[in-house]
Amino acid sequence: GDSVTQMEGPVTLSEEAFLTINCTYTATGYPSLFWYVQYPGEGLQLLLKATKADDKGSNKGFEATYRKETTSFHLEKGSVQVSDSAVYFCALRGNAGNNRKLIWGLGTSLAVNP
Amino acid sequence: NAGVTQTPKFQVLKTGQSMTLQCAQDMNHEYMSWYRQDPGMGLRLIHYSVGAGITDQGEVPNGYNVSRSTTEDFPLRLLSAAPSQTSVYFCASSYWGGSNYGYTFGSGTRLTVV
Repeated sequence: GDSVTQMEGPVTLSEEAFLTINCTYTATGYPSLFWYVQYPGEGLQLLLKATKADDKGSNKGFEATYRKETTSFHLEKGSVQVSDSAVYFCALRGNAGNNRKLIWGLGTSLAVNP
Repeated sequence: NAGVTQTPKFQVLKTGQSMTLQCAQDMNHEYMSWYRQDPGMGLRLIHYSVGAGITDQGEVPNGYNVSRSTTEDFPLRLLSAAPSQTSVYFCASSYWGGSNYGYTFGSGTRLTVV
């Protein structure tokens, strides 16, 4: 079945460092890919998405490119801030039957130090 | 404001008690779901629904019941609370018709069973 694998955390960075959180997937067909963010004590929020190969999703300085050839959707940010400290979840959603439920990675915790 | 509303935000139960976690959305989403989030376990799907009158089990349904009598509401019932049900519970909703829609999450219910 479909699955998502993302790098384990926690990831600890200094402010203004470059961020990469790796995400790879296994899926049949052509899923859509998502990154969600969960700030401490809150629910999950959609950060960005890409719905077809080579699409780039972007939001709040974060980017991720849908790479079908490597089945990846890595999250990047050029210069992180303390306020980016959160848990980041990668997810995919298929387009047929029960594959339309979101499949989640386990989440990667990011801590940014001043 | 449009979104997913969960109540209560916090709850303490004694072992064996029952309770209902409420979830309501005003976006006319067909799909609604309940997750629990435990440290190191990511998000685990409890139950979901693809429309009024239709519900199905997720990964961890034991000890929980759901019903969907309206499009807007999807309550989660704990039948006889156990300490293993101590967790943070999230309700999420979405359109069901395609893969490019993300989920909208509620802010969560933090449940402690003593």
